[in-house]
Parts: sequence; C-alpha cells; structure tokens
Amino acid sequence: EVQLVESGGGLVQPGGSLRLSCAASGFTFNNYEMNWVRQAPGKGLEWVSYITSDSTIYYADSVKGRFTLSRDNAKHSLYLQMNSLRAEDTAVYYCARDPAAAGMGHFDYWGQGTLVTVSS
Amino acid sequence: QLVLTQSPSASASLGASIKLTCTLSSGHSSYAIAWHQQQPEKGPRYLMKLNSDGSHTKGDGIPDRFSGSSSGAERYLTISSLQSEDEADYYCQTWDTGTRVFGGGTKLTVL
Repeated sequence: EVQLVESGGGLVQPGGSLRLSCAASGFTFNNYEMNWVRQAPGKGLEWVSYITSDSTIYYADSVKGRFTLSRDNAKHSLYLQMNSLRAEDTAVYYCARDPAAAGMGHFDYWGQGTLVTVSS
Repeated sequence: QLVLTQSPSASASLGASIKLTCTLSSGHSSYAIAWHQQQPEKGPRYLMKLNSDGSHTKGDGIPDRFSGSSSGAERYLTISSLQSEDEADYYCQTWDTGTRVFGGGTKLTVL
C-alpha cells in the first residue's frame, strides 16, 4: 500500500525557517517524481515544487529562492527546506507522488498534510 | 499562460447526476488533465487522468460512478447516482515542463 506521511510543520515567526519531511512507503521511491502542494486556509490547491527521479527540481515563482526541495532515495524521503517564511506561506503542505519516473505530470497519491503557520 | 477555469460551486440532489467542467486556457486545448477530490477536512484524493480524446485512467478504488469526458478545451467530470460522501471540492490539474497547475476548484453540494 502506497503511503506518504508528512511531518515537520508548526508555528514559525515571519522570516524564520522550517524543514518539512515526507516519508514514503509501499513503492520504489527512487523511481518516481515527487511533489509538494500547499493549501492556504479556506483556499484552493497550489503547486509548490517537484523533483524528478534524477533530482532535477522546479519551483513555483512564489517560493523560488526561498524554498529548497531535496530527496534521499536511501531513506525513501522527500524534504522541503523553507526559509524566509512569510505570512502568505501559511498553509497545509501535502506531499504527492507522480505516477512515473519520467513524470506524467499529475499526482496519483497524496499524503495527509502538515500545517505550517507563519505568525508572530 | 496555462490556466484552468472551474465554476466555484455546483449542486445536485442525492441520487442524481452532475457534470463538472474544467476549461483549459487558449492554446492548450490538447492538454490532458487530472481530477482530484477533497472531502471536508481531508487531504486530496486522485480520481482520474483525462486525455483530450476523452479516454481516462482512474485511480485505485474509484467507483464506476465517476467518469470523464472531453470536448475541445473543456474537460468534464461526471458523477452519477450522487451520494452524500460525494459532497466535496473537486480540482482539475494539468501540467507542462517545469510547472503544475490547479484550477480554482468546484465545491459540490449534494442536496
């Protein structure tokens, strides 16, 4: 059974940093592209970043230069280092799997999310 | 620019059918999309990938009541025999190299 479990969320002050993790199980992690998607309170889904199986990385303009995505295939884990956090980064952050190594472009499994709150 | 447009809300009665629409921006009518469901207070769930020719591939365990179709730049999600648990937000999503895009979502109310 495919499982994605996010952790690392919490309350952080504006300008602070936080590192999110996504632990994957039930599939061969290194064979798949992985994504982070976020959802601000009461708002829709917003794609944040994705990493290919060979570690090419793309970011949404809203987080470029502040967030860093990485993966550790040996640990079956995905990470999102978030720096210079702003109030508008407040959201539930979801880890999501792309169905293919080469990237089909959509998401076939989602985690349950972890809440990040940026506030003083 | 790659954009998806959805109506903010829709409603239908228990046991009825409903067709939700997602419209691709100009110049992108050949793009495939995916549909995702988000029930209240839950994470999203993948429903299906829908191609421009109307062929679709559903996610694990998705009931036959959910189907997809396409016409030009429009992508549709049809839910038949509506049940109370179908009350949820429905998002369409598409992609290009280096980007993934969501529609604004449609909130479905089952009356």
